[in-house]
Amino acid sequence: EPEVTQTPSHQVTQMGQEVILRCVPISNHLYFYWYRQILGQKVEFLVSFYNNEISEKSEIFDDQFSVERPDGSNFTLKIRSTKLEDSAMYFCASMTDRGGPEAFFGQGTRLTVV
Amino acid sequence: AQKVTQAQTEISVVEKEDVTLDCVYETRDTTYYLFWYKQPPSGELVFLIRRNSFDEQNEISGRYSWNFQKSTSSFNFTITASQVVDSAVYFCALSEVYYQGGKLIFGQGTELSVKP
Repeated sequence: EPEVTQTPSHQVTQMGQEVILRCVPISNHLYFYWYRQILGQKVEFLVSFYNNEISEKSEIFDDQFSVERPDGSNFTLKIRSTKLEDSAMYFCASMTDRGGPEAFFGQGTRLTVV
Repeated sequence: AQKVTQAQTEISVVEKEDVTLDCVYETRDTTYYLFWYKQPPSGELVFLIRRNSFDEQNEISGRYSWNFQKSTSSFNFTITASQVVDSAVYFCALSEVYYQGGKLIFGQGTELSVKP
């Protein structure tokens, strides 16, 4: 069964450092998403991406964040200068059609900023 | 504005008890999807069910059942004869089909603890 793959599963970084979280969505999917879950809290939408551009972003997704689909298979989330409050689980998701079939989520990357 | 409310933060039951997790949503759209996800202690999000706003039939899958009532904007989830393996955080989510991007809006989650 196809799945969304995220790497790494856990990343520890120092405050102020740049991190790149990687995702390989399911190959025939068209819509891609990043979500964030701070420990013990709900899952929050960060950004959606379609047709090689951002289609929507939340207030959380400020100038420190960027997304890219560099090679047609990977989908990355970059945080330019990490803060302590960026520590969270980051989930990548992909969907074949907007709002239709369920979003397939990756297993998540736990980011710890120290 | 879109919103999902799961008023029960934590529920604790003894194995074999039935348990219902509540979900109430708000949306301005007439076409939308509702979801339930399970998050076990390992952290991944496991898809359980998706319902569209035009299908109010209740659904049963093994020990799981879902009750969708548009009149009360609720999409409740019942586990029959709960088991220890059901212990997890359960999230209800809403997706507005015609909203640009099709993002999911999650509730706060209900942590279910099933004790032996």
